[in-house]
Parts: sequence; C-alpha cells; structure tokens
Amino acid sequence: GAGVSQSPSNKVTEKGKDVELRCDPISGHTALYWYRQSLGQGLEFLIYFQGNSAPDKSGLPSDRFSAERTGGSVSTLTIQRTQQEDSAVYLCASSAWANEQFFGPGTRLTVL
Amino acid sequence: RKEVEQDPGPFNVPEGATVAFNCTYSNSASQSFFWYRQDCRKEPKLLMSVYSSGNEDGRFTAQLNRASQYISLLIRDSKLSDSATYLCVVTVTGNQFYFGTGTSLTVIP
Repeated sequence: GAGVSQSPSNKVTEKGKDVELRCDPISGHTALYWYRQSLGQGLEFLIYFQGNSAPDKSGLPSDRFSAERTGGSVSTLTIQRTQQEDSAVYLCASSAWANEQFFGPGTRLTVL
Repeated sequence: RKEVEQDPGPFNVPEGATVAFNCTYSNSASQSFFWYRQDCRKEPKLLMSVYSSGNEDGRFTAQLNRASQYISLLIRDSKLSDSATYLCVVTVTGNQFYFGTGTSLTVIP
C-alpha cells in the first residue's frame, strides 16, 4: 500500500519568504507527526496531531511555525518569514496508536 | 534531562564483528520501545520493536531493562550493509514518541 508522502521533495527559498510543506499520511493512521532534522543531527519534534484532539505544539521553535491537519488526513506545515536557520529536512510520520511510526521521505528546505 | 540518551559513537567495526548499542530513558512510565535505522540522507525506518522479554530478529537482538531504564541492541556478524545510524525510540503516553540522537555505525571491510 501507499506509504507516507511529502511534497515538495526539495524547496529552495529566499530569506523572509513563507513556505508550505505538505504531508499525506498512511490512510487510517490517526496520529501524524512533524519533525525536522538538521545535517548530522537528531530528530527534533515539532508538532503532532491525534485524531480530533488539539495538537501538541510543544516542539514548535517559534510562532513563525504553524501546522494544520484537515479532515484528519493531509497536513500542512507552514513557516513564515523563513530564516537561514530554518534550513533542514522536514520529516512527517504517521502511526496507528502506540505502534511504529512510518516516515515520509522528507522535504529538504534550503533558505538562502 | 533528555527523555532518551544514546552514545553518538561513531562505532567503526570490522565485518563479522559483534557490536552493541545502549540507550537510556528518563521516564519510568515509558511504555513502548523501538530501534529505528536511518541511512544517510534517508528517512528513519523501523528496525525492531523491543519487548520486555527481549527479542531477536536474525542477527539483531534487542533487550529491555526496566529497572535500570535502558534498552540495548546487539548486532552479530556485522555486514557492510549494517552501516547506518541507529535511533533509540521510546513512547511515554501512547502517541508521544521520543527519539534519541542516534548512534553511528560504520562496518569496515
């Protein structure tokens, strides 16, 4: 079956621009996560959605970051007024309850 | 204190060697435990879950010690293809996953 997909795979943007990153989770998975990973670093948790519950936004690094999950499926991570330190790979994952997370291939964001 | 801590390595071992990684977690209420593998510039993928009684999958053995709050991964007869970063993952509540920063392994011919 289809796995987690993310788009775009690569995004180059100029400092100060807004970007939107998209994640399509595995059908039926109620939990969806966003992480970012800088080169050579570990995964940094950003936000997670569980069903219709309020999302856990505790990992968002600043108010320039926001995310939505529409209809319990597709999610969009938005970064406003991008900065160079936002450059990283943004990974999305989905899971059924307490089971393994399945990751998408990530979006590599480069802020010039 | 981090929820999950791992020795970052790197571990450089010859083919055929046995190598072990440990990972400690801080929350005694942690519920589920996993090892993930991440290849260079790829996304993490599940290697194996870790069960209380310990479990084995081919050359890989995972152990959980709840009293000391650590999990381990043993790789026997290392292959070149085992070269990757190994991530320790712990859940506290059902859907909050905490990832370690990973242990880098390079298997040398």
